[in-house]
Formats: sequence, structure tokens, C-alpha cells
Amino acid sequence: AAGVIQSPRHLIKEKRETATLKCYPIPRHDTVYWYQQGPGQDPQFLISFYEKMQSDKGSIPDRFSAQQFSDYHSELNMSSLELGDSALYFCASSPDRIRRDTQYFGPGTRLTVL
Amino acid sequence: AQTVTQSQPEMSVQEAETVTLSCTYDTSESDYYLFWYKQPPSRQMILVIRQEAYKQQNATENRFSVNFQKAAKSFSLKISDSQLGDAAMYFCAYRITIQGAQKLVFGQGTRLTINP
Repeated sequence: AAGVIQSPRHLIKEKRETATLKCYPIPRHDTVYWYQQGPGQDPQFLISFYEKMQSDKGSIPDRFSAQQFSDYHSELNMSSLELGDSALYFCASSPDRIRRDTQYFGPGTRLTVL
Repeated sequence: AQTVTQSQPEMSVQEAETVTLSCTYDTSESDYYLFWYKQPPSRQMILVIRQEAYKQQNATENRFSVNFQKAAKSFSLKISDSQLGDAAMYFCAYRITIQGAQKLVFGQGTRLTINP
């Protein structure tokens, strides 16, 4: 079965640079979620989209922005990167409004800020 | 605010034996979903099992089962016949629904070691 695809899998950036993370949900899933997992921590919710509109926002810095496109893929844009942004970033997707109770996670993008 | 607590940072079990991981949560909602996710060394987040709060029957998936005690707000995971491949970090998660939007709140995780 198709899974959530995230790219790139690994990303190394310098402080103050910009990064873009991409997420391709499972086919026919219309809701996308982004989570950040710091070293030794549990995942923290950042933002979610349903039908290309932002549906909820968590502890996401103003330096970060995200959007969902017409093909339902999503991108997380991160600017003015800081050392503390180094983390594993997960994208998850869930199916239609009626069955969207379970979130399926992608493999994650490991971002390292030097 | 909804919170999820896993009081066991680490657990270990002998291969082929049974182990139970604890999770408690706090909520004022009456209908909600609870999940256990597994995160092996690859760091992939893998869904293990889910429980709908309105269902009294405990969820079961092969060797994995839960003990859901709604009144006590407890949601423990039992792994039977433990296998080496079960070694991972296990996260308990609660699904919050706010104005139709949903997100997961995770516990701190329990690192499970399987001893051969």
C-alpha cells in the first residue's frame, strides 16, 4: 500500500538559511499534518491542512509557513533557521472527513542546522 | 487542556514474554480516539493500535491489545509473545478535535528493550 512520502529525507543547512520540506500524502487523503520531534522528545504538532486550507495551528514559529496545493501535497517553508530548529519533521495524512480519525506518518525529514 | 502521560520512561522484557506499557490521559471530551504508535531506531512512526472511546470493547491487533479504562482515563498497551523486532520507543497519543480540526497530543514515550 502507498505511504506518505517526504522529501528530502535528510537536510543540512546553515544558520539563517531557508529550508523547504515536502510531503506527499497517501492517495485520496485530503488532510495533512506537520509535526516536529526534537532529540529525545515526543512529536509536537505544528500545523494542519484540510482541502488546501489551514485547519489548525500549533506551536509553529512565525519564521515557518506551510501550504497545501491542489494535488494535496504540502510544503513546510522554514526561514532564518536557528540551531534549535534541528529536529525530525514528520508529515502525516488522514483520509476523508468521515474516516479521518487515524493519521499515517511519513518517514520524516531530518533537518540539521549548523 | 488535554494531556497524555506515560510514567515509564523505559521498560524491558524477555523475548517471548508479555509486557504492559502504561498511559493515562486527561480530557473533558466524551468521544475521542486514542492511539499507540511505535518508533523503531529508523525513527519511522508506525501505528500499532487505536481505540475509539465510545467502544467498550478493547482493541486488539494480533499480539497487541489495549486495556482501555475510560472512567480511570487509562489506556495501556499489552504486547504478548514479545519479539526482538518489538524493540522501539512507544508513544501513546490522544486525538484532539477543535472546531473540526484534529491533531495528536503525544505522551513522553516509553523505550522498550527486548532481551534475547
